[in-house]
Amino acid sequence: DQQVKQNSPSLSVQEGRISILNCDYTNSMFDYFLWYKKYPAEGPTFLISISSIKDKNEDGRFTVFLNKSAKHLSLHIVPSQPGDSAVYFCAASAGGSNYKLTFGKGTLLTVNP
Amino acid sequence: KAGVTQTPRYLIKTRGQQVTLSCSPISGHRSVSWYQQTPGQGLQFLFEYFSETQRNKGNFPGRFSGRQFSNSRSEMNVSTLELGDSALYLCASSYAGAVTNEKLFFGSGTQLSVL
Repeated sequence: DQQVKQNSPSLSVQEGRISILNCDYTNSMFDYFLWYKKYPAEGPTFLISISSIKDKNEDGRFTVFLNKSAKHLSLHIVPSQPGDSAVYFCAASAGGSNYKLTFGKGTLLTVNP
Repeated sequence: KAGVTQTPRYLIKTRGQQVTLSCSPISGHRSVSWYQQTPGQGLQFLFEYFSETQRNKGNFPGRFSGRQFSNSRSEMNVSTLELGDSALYLCASSYAGAVTNEKLFFGSGTQLSVL
């Protein structure tokens, strides 16, 4: 039972354009959501997060949007850069148990020069 | 500060053997979590230790076990290895692990291949 779903295994965009990565969840107990980025041969690194009391959080070129009624979140990267090419994981936690994250399967983003 | 250190980086074992993986968290971090990453399943939570106690466990068989030492370093053990155990095993640390908005810091992982 996949509680966090990233339905697009891969996404390809041109440098300078917007990248939109999507994530859906089924567990209504999730109240904190995170995006991690992973390069090959490295561990995931934290990118941005959002609490369920918000619907948007912005950090530089990265913005995460949360639609609680649809149980959907998205990560926008504007403008996309070749260095953003990586696997992006959506993750969620419930009740402050942030050591126990439920991850999606990831989306491979390729930004073409 | 040094990051999360996992050893070894690569490991090749045969079915039926057992393996021990090691994780040294960031200095001052007392929570250590373990995750298994496979191409088909993404990252899946194995267990978490805090102050030498296992606080939570994922849905993995009893062949997967772990422990944490007084210096917060953690080891993970897999006994009677199966082909399906081939995966990247990731360790993550945080200060308390149970505080909202606290980030996890991941190591680079141990790539285990079971032949």
